[in-house]
Amino acid sequence: DGGITQSPKYLFRKEGQNVTLSCEQNLNHDAMYWYRQDPGQGLRLIYYSQIVNDFQKGDIAEGYSVSREKKESFPLTVTSAQKNPTAFYLCDSSTDRDLSGGYTFGSGTRLTVV
Amino acid sequence: GDSVTQMEGPVTLSEEAFLTINCTYTATGYPSLFWYVQYPGEGLQLLLKATKADDKGSNKGFEATYRKETTSFHLEKGSVQVSDSAVYFCALSLDTGRRALTFGSGTRLQVQP
Repeated sequence: DGGITQSPKYLFRKEGQNVTLSCEQNLNHDAMYWYRQDPGQGLRLIYYSQIVNDFQKGDIAEGYSVSREKKESFPLTVTSAQKNPTAFYLCDSSTDRDLSGGYTFGSGTRLTVV
Repeated sequence: GDSVTQMEGPVTLSEEAFLTINCTYTATGYPSLFWYVQYPGEGLQLLLKATKADDKGSNKGFEATYRKETTSFHLEKGSVQVSDSAVYFCALSLDTGRRALTFGSGTRLQVQP
């Protein structure tokens, strides 16, 4: 079955560490997105990529970095510059040709600073 | 910029009650509109969508109609169940620019037996 996989489900980061969250899809989707969700709030866009080897900053990109070397993969690195990284991170994808088909989400990674 | 406004929760209902969750939007173009549902500790699942004015999306007893004149996409269900307890997000996307979803803040629904 096609889908989108995020790993790990839970991640703990020490102060000053960089950590990388994985997002993989086998849907042959062109576009992929990373969102951050804080308690009681909606999702905010961190980074997005509409094609391999290209990505753009979203609304809250500071302290994060991404790469898109393969169509299937869009990893997110939370750097030490992100001062408040504790949150739930969600990745999704869509086919660029038909957004009306909706977006497919992964099950998320919960990041906690310890 | 584009934005989505949802009614604040939590919304607490008894089983078999009628549900309405209000959603209005502001967009520079002609967006597609979505409702997503999130169960505790999980990602988002698409509940229903509508891509143009007067379209009605429906799924699992939930419905929402794309109202361009009132820029609204209210979610309704005639008879809720305990299993419907979750957080519901209204969202929009445009077919130009970054094409990412813009979300409302979410509405928590609690259904009591």
